Amino acid sequence: GNSVTQMEGPVTLSEEAFLTINCTYTATGYPSLFWYVQYPGEGLQLLLKATKADDKGSNKGFEATYRKETTSFHLEKGSVQVSDSAVYFCALRNTGNQFYFGTGTSLTVIP
Amino acid sequence: GAGVSQSPSNKVTEKGKDVELRCDPISGHTALYWYRQSLGQGLEFLIYFQGNSAPDKSGLPSDRFSAERTGGSVSTLTIQRTQQEDSAVYLCASSYQELVVDTQYFGPGTRLTVL
Repeated sequence: GNSVTQMEGPVTLSEEAFLTINCTYTATGYPSLFWYVQYPGEGLQLLLKATKADDKGSNKGFEATYRKETTSFHLEKGSVQVSDSAVYFCALRNTGNQFYFGTGTSLTVIP
Repeated sequence: GAGVSQSPSNKVTEKGKDVELRCDPISGHTALYWYRQSLGQGLEFLIYFQGNSAPDKSGLPSDRFSAERTGGSVSTLTIQRTQQEDSAVYLCASSYQELVVDTQYFGPGTRLTVL
């Protein structure tokens, strides 16, 4: 089957700290992988994506690399800001265009 | 341009009543999804519409749930004889890809509370 497992939160970091949010997946076939973000009071929006193995998605200083050998798509940012406080969701899309989301990881960045 | 809109934003109902939730996708988007987000849970896929194809209903949790999409645009999710466990945020998303759905654009959601 298809599923996504991501690091449980909440995560609290100081400004300029390094961020890693782990995400692993189980899928049949060759899925595409996504990170979505939900800022307080807003809807989910795409943060970054990768469609094949070894691709690196990046946006707003965040990066994630599609690792087929470890079935992972960990989200990283070198220096977080207060404005990065949000809930982050890892997701996969299978060949049938079905999406599977993780449970979300809440990040709070304190000044 | 306008994003995905959903109405109502909040709905409180009594157990056993029927509810209808509406989604207006971005104009021209052929794919439309419904999800349910319960407290502390991830997004649970409910149903997927793509163009004129038969919808993928594999995520609907019971026969009390149904959805339709009229004219390839607006969609309505109907929950009959609501139960307390139906309380959740219901999210709609749309996408413009014809064959392979890529980026989804989410609406703000409808928070459903069943008393």
